[in-house]
Amino acid sequence: DTEVTQTPKHLVMGMTNKKSLKCEQHMGHRAMYWYKQKAKKPPELMFVYSYEKLSINESVPSRFSPECPNSSLLNLHLHALQPEDSALYLCASSQVVVRGTSFLGGPGELFFGEGSRLTVL
Amino acid sequence: AQTVTQSQPEMSVQEAETVTLSCTYDTSENNYYLFWYKQPPSRQMILVIRQEAYKQQNATENRFSVNFQKAAKSFSLKISDSQLGDTAMYFCAFMLLDSNYQLIWGAGTKLIIKP
Repeated sequence: DTEVTQTPKHLVMGMTNKKSLKCEQHMGHRAMYWYKQKAKKPPELMFVYSYEKLSINESVPSRFSPECPNSSLLNLHLHALQPEDSALYLCASSQVVVRGTSFLGGPGELFFGEGSRLTVL
Repeated sequence: AQTVTQSQPEMSVQEAETVTLSCTYDTSENNYYLFWYKQPPSRQMILVIRQEAYKQQNATENRFSVNFQKAAKSFSLKISDSQLGDTAMYFCAFMLLDSNYQLIWGAGTKLIIKP
């Protein structure tokens, strides 16, 4: 199973709403990511979880709140978003690189979900 | 700081032709990985090919191959016998060996395969 599943696929919300994006993987990966992607642009890293602990926060506004309840799940809680936050939100997972070991996928291979397209009105 | 440059915003070729996408990068480090990722329209991003900087041999995956010129800091992707399903955004990306999580992405090249 090499799938990363994201729900919902589409989400429309007002600026006062609270919603969540969900991501699930069952590949045994211990690193999980949230990216934001605008049309025809590369993904922008938002958060990285390693072994269920937040290891990277790329100075993301607090209206985005990540959560990693267990090794298979990653959530992104959304509150008081702005219209400029409208984008495709991508979840990804990967192996955690350990120097000197080899494993399926290799360093840097991210497995992406199809994304959640968010529109903020 | 590392940077990745893709100088071709958009390319189009006829089906069955060969196409080369260019990518250059800048780093002062010696140990890193380079990647090409493909993002088809409304579909998920997938890894096309990966190159370890310490390997001199160019990576190949079926119809996809790279021309890795470490001294020139160039990492181009060649797609042979292009197919309609190759239509996608292609992103070149860079990762330092000891940076587990942080990919540096190029701006992307939109490739259109025409029937």
